[in-house]
Amino acid sequence: AQSVAQPEDQVNVAEGNPLTVKCTYSVSGNPYLFWYVQYPNRGLQFLLKYITGDNLVKGSYGFEAEFNKSQTSFHLKKPSALVSDSALYFCAVRDPYGNNRLAFGKGNQVVVIP
Amino acid sequence: GAGVSQSPRYKVAKRGQDVALRCDPISGHVSLFWYQQALGQGPEFLTYFQNEAQLDKSGLPSDRFFAERPEGSVSTLKIQRTQQEDSAVYLCASSFTSEDSEQFFGPGTRLTVL
Repeated sequence: AQSVAQPEDQVNVAEGNPLTVKCTYSVSGNPYLFWYVQYPNRGLQFLLKYITGDNLVKGSYGFEAEFNKSQTSFHLKKPSALVSDSALYFCAVRDPYGNNRLAFGKGNQVVVIP
Repeated sequence: GAGVSQSPRYKVAKRGQDVALRCDPISGHVSLFWYQQALGQGPEFLTYFQNEAQLDKSGLPSDRFFAERPEGSVSTLKIQRTQQEDSAVYLCASSFTSEDSEQFFGPGTRLTVL
């Protein structure tokens, strides 16, 4: 079964500094990987996905993520964090040979300090 | 509509009551998913529809949980004889049918069982 680990509970970063949110995955076969962001009392918003191709994926709001097959990682990055980036971030994986379900990590709270 | 909508947004039920949660997916989206998100956790898969067919219900936690999508658009998640452990946010998501499509999430229904 597919699974995702997000090892940090909270990530604190100063506004303007680079932001990294870590994610590692476990899946049989080549993974489909996703990042979502959740603001309070709102549903999950899609940020970006990796299906195949270039290991560096660019997404919404200046976010990008790097797929690393040897390390089974898919870390989310942003070169310069904004206060408005403070939210809950979820990594998810889908097994392309399985059903269509997404397996989510427990989430990382990102706090951007002004 | 512009996105996935869910109703009600909040539901308080007494233990033992039956509840029904509604999801209106994005028009044209063939696939529909239900997830359960406990406080402080990532979403957990419940069930998946392709059109009106329920292709995977392996995530439903008990036979008190039932989902339907009779006409291939609107879906209802029903919980019979609610228990306190059913308290959670229930998220609905929809996507195009292609296997690499991202899922679009609704705002969720927060269920509190007293």
